[in-house]
Amino acid sequence: NAGVTQTPKFRILKIGQSMTLQCTQDMNHNYMYWYRQDPGMGLKLIYYSVGAGITDKGEVPNGYNVSRSTTEDFPLRLELAAPSQTSVYFCASSYPTPRTEAFFGQGTRLTVV
Amino acid sequence: AQKITQTQPGMFVQEKEAVTLDCTYDTSDQSYGLFWYKQPSSGEMIFLIYQGSYDEQNATEGRYSLNFQKARKSANLVISASQLGDSAMYFCAMREGLGQGGSEKLVFGKGTKLTVNP
Repeated sequence: NAGVTQTPKFRILKIGQSMTLQCTQDMNHNYMYWYRQDPGMGLKLIYYSVGAGITDKGEVPNGYNVSRSTTEDFPLRLELAAPSQTSVYFCASSYPTPRTEAFFGQGTRLTVV
Repeated sequence: AQKITQTQPGMFVQEKEAVTLDCTYDTSDQSYGLFWYKQPSSGEMIFLIYQGSYDEQNATEGRYSLNFQKARKSANLVISASQLGDSAMYFCAMREGLGQGGSEKLVFGKGTKLTVNP
């Protein structure tokens, strides 16, 4: 059982470039989340989705876009990379029941130079 | 406004002693859930324990227990008999809007770095 898989694990982008962080889960979870974690800080919610076709903004959505065309996949798009987007990005998923925890991917370390 | 507040950036504890990591939260919902995660230096997020707003008893999972004080809106994590492997970042998180369909955001605090000394 793979759980939540993020690709790539590491990436260096130049300012102004675009990229998509991939996230897929094989647990049939309805809810999926994208977070960023700056050095020494907590996780900030970028976007989340409660099911295919439904997405909503979190705390820090500016500069990012998401889509949810299937239950399994929840890609995060950076259109014009900026140094402020240098961070570790985590994808997570969970069942839509209150008591269940969110399962996290291993993270993507992104550096924008 | 900060939804989850962890006021201790860093904590130190001697091996085999107990330690309490503080977490306060802010919500107007009646139904919500509180989670604690551990993040070792390797970076992965490990779920530790859950407390529901309607749970009458404090949650326990092995050496982890949650001191839940609903009226004070606090959900402190207690680690008993600390081990060297407990050295990590610890995050408190809250899921609001339970059962309201489409509003289950999961938000995190800034974390507490725990160091266990031999």
